[in-house]
Amino acid sequence: QLQLQESGPGLVKPSETLSLTCTVSGGSIGNGFDYWAWIRQPPGKGLEWIGSIFYSGSPYYYPSLTSRVTISVDTSKNQFSLILNSVTAADTAIYYCARHSGPGIAAPLEYWGQGTLVTVSS
Amino acid sequence: IVLTQSPGTLSLSPGQRATLSCRASQSASRYLAWYQQKPGQAPRLLIYGASSRATGIPDRFSGSGSGTDFTLTISRLEPEDFAVYYCQQYGSSPQTFGQGTKLEIK
Repeated sequence: QLQLQESGPGLVKPSETLSLTCTVSGGSIGNGFDYWAWIRQPPGKGLEWIGSIFYSGSPYYYPSLTSRVTISVDTSKNQFSLILNSVTAADTAIYYCARHSGPGIAAPLEYWGQGTLVTVSS
Repeated sequence: IVLTQSPGTLSLSPGQRATLSCRASQSASRYLAWYQQKPGQAPRLLIYGASSRATGIPDRFSGSGSGTDFTLTISRLEPEDFAVYYCQQYGSSPQTFGQGTKLEIK
């Protein structure tokens, strides 16, 4: 059974960098045709797709975040990561990692991590 | 593609039928998924391809539609079905979610 687990600091200061890692178990991040994704959810609000990446390809990002976000894959550790620069209070959210299930990025998000709350505050 | 879900809140009793709507600002073809989210939990995939049930999803959940109008139907509500439901289009980038429909016990 595929499992995903987010990890990283729960508190980040304004203007600094948010950095999260998703560790995949029960499957290899470098096999198959699946894309890996980050999604966030501000407290009490809806879901927002941040971006997705294939283990050997270029990532896709939400347009309004492109200048601040980087998603990368480390196949040796079976992990993928999210970096978000210059954070503000508006970036406070639960951050989820997930896997698209199906060939290519045009596939639903079948497997999700439990989510990790990141608060931006001084 | 902007997805608009209606109603915002739906109040029903166990045993009743629930009909949730998701309308897209432009065609999503059939690249439409539905997710269920309970408090403190990650979303769970229910329906993909507009009408295909994900693994392990009970057959009381069904999806229909294509293009710009989609529907999630829960034929007979069980107590565990009361949650927030989101639609998502994944055929165009950026992928987008609707704002959610809260299904609450009446």
